[in-house]
Amino acid sequence: GDSVTQMEGPVTLSEEAFLTINCTYTATGYPSLFWYVQYPGEGLQLLLKATKADDKGSNKGFEATYRKETTSFHLEKGSVQVSDSAVYFCALSDENYGGSQGNLIFGKGTKLSVKP
Amino acid sequence: GAGVSQSPSNKVTEKGKDVELRCDPISGHTALYWYRQSLGQGLEFLIYFQGNSAPDKSGLPSDRFSAERTGGSVSTLTIQRTQQEDSAVYLCASSPRKLGRSLNFGPGTRLTVL
Repeated sequence: GDSVTQMEGPVTLSEEAFLTINCTYTATGYPSLFWYVQYPGEGLQLLLKATKADDKGSNKGFEATYRKETTSFHLEKGSVQVSDSAVYFCALSDENYGGSQGNLIFGKGTKLSVKP
Repeated sequence: GAGVSQSPSNKVTEKGKDVELRCDPISGHTALYWYRQSLGQGLEFLIYFQGNSAPDKSGLPSDRFSAERTGGSVSTLTIQRTQQEDSAVYLCASSPRKLGRSLNFGPGTRLTVL
């Protein structure tokens, strides 16, 4: 079945460092890809998304490009801030396949801690 | 506007008791999802409702778990004869369409089974 694999954390960076969180997926159809973020004490929020190959999702300085050839959707940010400390989840939705799946499949999450 | 709300925010129960968790989705959202978030396990899909269609129950871990959605709005997740391994944060999410393009998550209910 479909699955998402993301790098295990925790990831600890200094402020202004470059961030990459790797995410790869396995899907039988044509999934949409997402990054969700969970800040301490808060619920999950959509961070960015991409619905087809070569699309780039971006928000709050974060970017991720849908790479069909490598089945990847790595999250990047050029200069992290302390306020970016959170747990990041990669997810896919196989909505374009037209099958019975109607849910998001999540990775296990990567905890990011940014130190001042 | 109001987001997805869940109640209670925390629930502590004894092993073997039944619990009910409530979710109020965003008004007008036709799709409603339940997920379980366990430490180190990420988010586990449990069940999904879409309008008046039969729910997708494929993620429910055992027959002790069930869920209802009344009137296409409020949903209740029921866990019977709770076990310690049921301890987790139960998340509800709603969406204005069938598939996951814009899931709005609630704050979750933290369930602790003693």
